[in-house]
Amino acid sequence: SSELTQDPAVSVALGQTVRITCQGDSLRSYYASWYQQKPGQAPVLVISGKNNRPSGIPARFSGSSSGNTASLTITGTQAEDEADYYCNSRDNSVNYVMFGGGTKLTVL
Amino acid sequence: QVQLQQWGAGLLKPSETLSLTCAVYGGSFKNYYWSWTRQPPGKGLEWLGEIGPSGSTNYNPSLKSRVTISMDTSKNQFSLRLTSVTAADTGLYYCTRVSRGVLPPFYYFYYMDVWGKGTSVIVSS
Repeated sequence: SSELTQDPAVSVALGQTVRITCQGDSLRSYYASWYQQKPGQAPVLVISGKNNRPSGIPARFSGSSSGNTASLTITGTQAEDEADYYCNSRDNSVNYVMFGGGTKLTVL
Repeated sequence: QVQLQQWGAGLLKPSETLSLTCAVYGGSFKNYYWSWTRQPPGKGLEWLGEIGPSGSTNYNPSLKSRVTISMDTSKNQFSLRLTSVTAADTGLYYCTRVSRGVLPPFYYFYYMDVWGKGTSVIVSS
């Protein structure tokens, strides 16, 4: 099916590591891309392809994939990482692009 | 550095047509796909559709009968048209640049690396 599933909310202590996951059948053939969105701002791409960070994205952000699950890992989470995170993929069989429902990350 | 500047009417009445345009500055227009994504108030992101270098289009099936994306290569612009709007179409609308392809051994990638600032659209009688 053309869906991506994310946990609605995740929390992490300042400086710790957090993993945000995204599940969907399309991820068996597509790398997920990940976006960070802070209140009142447009989404920003943080991870694309196998594990690529656009210029300006800190190295503490990384991506991985296994089977139908993609993960965004933030190592040494900072207060400014508190945001909504969305995964994104495509289903070639129906030429459909989808987003996960988003994960609200709270930094404690 | 590529920038997307978008504009269009922000207040519509039910049954009217939403029209937004996005201009691409500072980079290639012909070598990319371009798409529209929206976000209802307090909710997540919803892909609306995309247009490719040849003008081919793909649309979200839930909107397919109402949505049209077109482009003007002479102006480096692409546009969104959504007919018969209702309150459910209220939200922020973003234009984006899309990169897509396949990596060895046989894994696809798709991502939106440049986003416009968003246009707020309110549908109200």
